Amino acid sequence: KAGVTQTPRYLIKTRGQQVTLSCSPISGHRSVSWYQQTPGQGLQFLFEYFSETQRNKGNFPGRFSGRQFSNSRSEMNVSTLELGDSALYLCASSPGTSGVGDTQYFGPGTRLTVL
Amino acid sequence: AQSVTQLGSHVSVSEGALVLLRCNYSSSVPPYLFWYVQYPNQGLQLLLKYTSAATLVKGINGFEAEFKKSETSFHLTKPSAHMSDAAEYFCAVKWNSGYALNFGKGTSLLVTP
Repeated sequence: KAGVTQTPRYLIKTRGQQVTLSCSPISGHRSVSWYQQTPGQGLQFLFEYFSETQRNKGNFPGRFSGRQFSNSRSEMNVSTLELGDSALYLCASSPGTSGVGDTQYFGPGTRLTVL
Repeated sequence: AQSVTQLGSHVSVSEGALVLLRCNYSSSVPPYLFWYVQYPNQGLQLLLKYTSAATLVKGINGFEAEFKKSETSFHLTKPSAHMSDAAEYFCAVKWNSGYALNFGKGTSLLVTP
């Protein structure tokens, strides 16, 4: 089975712009979660989608949003980019059928740099 | 507040020596526990997961972890370190109240020849 894929792998944007990141989960997985990884804050949960519905949300401002499509692919969008948004954004997929105990499998991440 | 703590942001071991990476969680109810590894410029790879079926969990690449409820710990060990084990290791917890993984700050493992 192919793993989780994320596109693009690298992005450079300027402050004030917006960006969309894409994630394709493992085939058959219905849950997609997004995490932000920075040197200062570590790994922080953004949100989780299951069957096109946001099921869980972390403590991030409304500039961060996401969605999931009927084929389970997911996108996250960050509007009005700030320098502090520079980070590695990781997507993780899980079957979504085992409740809280589901195992999440991560993609390689998208490295976003905001100038 | 519920939290997960990894003791030691950097650990250095000699090749062939025992690897011990520490993880403690704060909860009266055992959560779901995971260890992930991250190599430079890559995503996270699952090493192992505690499912309550057994307190000693075996993972990939010779790693294992022991769940100790009385100590609220889930330390990761490997009997003999290899140069290829050099990476960042993350302990993660899923509380019964949610679907998100809550990560420790990570431990960078350095393996010296």
